[in-house]
Amino acid sequence: EVQLVESGGGLVQPGGSLRLSCAASGFTFSNYYINWVRQAPGKELEWVANIDPDGSNTYYVDSVKGRFTISRDNPKSSLYLQMNSLRAEDTAVYYCARGVDYMFDFWGQGALVTVSS
Amino acid sequence: DVVMTQSPLSLPVTLGQPASISCRSSQSLVHSNGNTYLAWFQQRPGQSPRRLIYKVSNRDSGVPDRFSGSGSGTDFTLKISRVEAEDVGVYFCVQGTHWPPVFGPGTKVDIK
Repeated sequence: EVQLVESGGGLVQPGGSLRLSCAASGFTFSNYYINWVRQAPGKELEWVANIDPDGSNTYYVDSVKGRFTISRDNPKSSLYLQMNSLRAEDTAVYYCARGVDYMFDFWGQGALVTVSS
Repeated sequence: DVVMTQSPLSLPVTLGQPASISCRSSQSLVHSNGNTYLAWFQQRPGQSPRRLIYKVSNRDSGVPDRFSGSGSGTDFTLKISRVEAEDVGVYFCVQGTHWPPVFGPGTKVDIK
């Protein structure tokens, strides 16, 4: 059974940093693109970033470029999102989602990130 | 970026009756490789999204056959042939043809 489990969410002050993790199981992690998708309160889903299977290429939505870094550790079947210079508008539930052609076939349960003073 | 719109945004339905949700894109979603990367998701209250349909009309494993997807180019439809109580939630479309991928605003389905 494919499982994706996020962790690392919490409350952080504006300008602060947070690192999210996503632990994968039930599939060959190193074969897949993996994405971060977020959902701000009452808003639609927004794709944030993804990383190719061997970690050599990463892609970001413009609003997080230069502040967020996606990475992966294939031997540990883990995905990460380092978030720096956080803003109030980054407040959201962050999901990791397995991606084939951006069709997002499996999702984790999400991690809540709240940016507030 | 491609703009995705959905209608209606709220859909009260009667149990056992059909329901239909429209998703429209601002550009054709036909990829240069001939595929159309349009998917539908269900998000039940308090849960993470679950994919129902991918590449317009392919139903995911375990998805009841009362769910079907259709459409082409810029116009797509998700149909529920007979709504059941467990179908309550928000339904999203997403396009993956043009970078970046963009989700629709969601259609909230509830029971009348």
